[in-house]
Amino acid sequence: QVHLQESGPGLVKPSETLSLTCIVSGYSISSGYFWGWIRQPPGKGLEWIGTISHSGDTYYIPSLKSRVTISLDTSKNQFSLKLNSVTAADTAVYYCAREQDISVAGTSFDYWGQGTLATVSS
Amino acid sequence: EKVMTQSPATLSVSPGERATLSCRASQSVNNNLAWYQQKPGQAPRLLIHAASTRASGIPARFSGSGSGTEFTLTISSLQSEDFAVYYCQQYNNWPLTFGQGTKVEI
Repeated sequence: QVHLQESGPGLVKPSETLSLTCIVSGYSISSGYFWGWIRQPPGKGLEWIGTISHSGDTYYIPSLKSRVTISLDTSKNQFSLKLNSVTAADTAVYYCAREQDISVAGTSFDYWGQGTLATVSS
Repeated sequence: EKVMTQSPATLSVSPGERATLSCRASQSVNNNLAWYQQKPGQAPRLLIHAASTRASGIPARFSGSGSGTEFTLTISSLQSEDFAVYYCQQYNNWPLTFGQGTKVEI
């Protein structure tokens, strides 16, 4: 069974960088599939942030592209999100998830982490 | 960017009743549409992909239909555990986009 678990600081100061990691178990991320980050501001809907392939190709939402980096660490079977120059508007629950299709990028998400709340505040 | 609009925002139903949720895309997404269920404090759960294919382990009372710009999620007989927020998501084009959600409440 595939399991994803987010980790990272719960509090980030404005203008600093939010860094989160998603540890994957039950599947080797270097073997295939696409791995994404989705966020949800408190009381609001879902927003896709970006996706990375098992080979490191990345896809980002245009509105965040200048501030986002998603990377892989296959030796630790994890992938990471960095969002720089954060503001209060970046306060959200951040989810990591696996896309459903093993070979085509940009599909639905079948496995999700539990989510981690990141608050931007001084 | 494809904008996904869900209606109604809130749907009040009784256990055992049928619930019909709608999702409209600003442009055609073919059948590249998914539905998710989210309960408070939990991650979304994939219910339907490819507009009408139930995900693994999803009960048959959940069904999806539609193509192009108009989609429907139907819950044939609501169970107590089905009261939640439901989101649609298109994956026909980048960026992947979600609807704003429909809350199904008693």
